[in-house]
Formats: sequence, structure tokens, C-alpha cells
Amino acid sequence: KAGVTQTPRYLIKTRGQQVTLSCSPISGHRSVSWYQQTPGQGLQFLFEYFSETQRNKGNFPGRFSGRQFSNSRSEMNVSTLELGDSALYLCASSLGKQGANEKLFFGSGTQLSVL
Amino acid sequence: GNSVTQMEGPVTLSEEAFLTINCTYTATGYPSLFWYVQYPGEGLQLLLKATKADDKGSNKGFEATYRKETTSFHLEKGSVQVSDSAVYFCALRDSGGYNKLIFGAGTRLAVHP
Repeated sequence: KAGVTQTPRYLIKTRGQQVTLSCSPISGHRSVSWYQQTPGQGLQFLFEYFSETQRNKGNFPGRFSGRQFSNSRSEMNVSTLELGDSALYLCASSLGKQGANEKLFFGSGTQLSVL
Repeated sequence: GNSVTQMEGPVTLSEEAFLTINCTYTATGYPSLFWYVQYPGEGLQLLLKATKADDKGSNKGFEATYRKETTSFHLEKGSVQVSDSAVYFCALRDSGGYNKLIFGAGTRLAVHP
């Protein structure tokens, strides 16, 4: 069974640009969550999608957005990039049944560098 | 708000030494608790979990017990190997928080032969 796939693996952008990251969950998983990892702030929750609907959101500005398609694949978009957006963006998928035993499976991440 | 505090690293050990990484949490209700491991250049892998008080999670020789009275979930391993070198994250999930995990800052472990 294929794991969580994130593309691209690396991205370099300049300030003011926008970027789209992609995440393909494990087959059968309907929930996709996104996290930002930086040396200073650690791992922070961005948002979660389930059945094409956002059902939870972290404390990030509106420049960060996402969506989920009918096949459960998800994309996140960051507009008007800032230097501080440089981070490893991790995607996690799960069945989405929202139980105490729900397990998250993480992808290898997309390393975004903003110059 | 909910939070997780774990001991700062790096932790440097010799092979076969005993490992403890401390983790304490602040949360309302009864969160689920997790330890994740991150190897260089990779995403997070679930190491072990516990969903209620006094549960012991275990995997690959690692153990952690959910202690509600001390709000702790310390990670232990009796004999570490060089291959255990990685960054370890303690995390909690609210009972009603869907898949929103709150992570500690991470503890880097380096094991030398």
C-alpha cells in the first residue's frame, strides 16, 4: 500500500509569489491534515479536510488556504509569500473516523524556501 | 490552551544506554497522547500511543505510560541503538479535536557506538 505522497519535495520561491503544494493520501483515507514545521515554532497545525470540507483550522493568516478533491487528494496554497513562510510542510492522512485510536500517517513533506 | 512540554535536547547517549525523554502536557478532558519519531529528511512516524489514563504504549522497545495524576507521558527505552538517533516528538490530541495534534518542541537523540 502506497504511503502519503507529497509533491514537490523541494520548492524555491521569492517573496510575494504564491505556491501550491499537493498531497495524495493513503488509499481509503478521507481525512487530510496539514502542518507547518519550522525550527523556531516547531510543528503547528494548519487545517484538516474531510470529505472535501474543512473541519478544523489552526491559527494562520488567510494567506494559507487549502482544498480537498473528491478523490481525497488535497492541495494547500500560500499567497503573497513571506520570508517567514520558509518551512517544511507536512501532510498527514487518516481514515477520518475521529476516534481515540485514529492514526495519522505523515508524508515526507515539501521543503519550501522563500528568498 | 492545550500544550505539550518536552525536555530540551540534544540528548547524547552511548549505545545500550537507558533512555528517558520527559513529556508533560496541559489539557482539558482526556486527550490521547502520542510519541512520533522523525528521521533525517523524512516525515513523522507514529512510535506509540495511549488513549486513556494508565495505558502503556509500546513499540520497538520504547514504552510510555499515560499518567493523568502527573500529566506526563515520558518515553523510555532500556537499551538504545545507533539506529535510534532521530528527533522525538510528544503530542496530544483533544478528545474532540478531530486530527489536530499539538506537538512538543521535539528532542534530538544522538546515539554513539
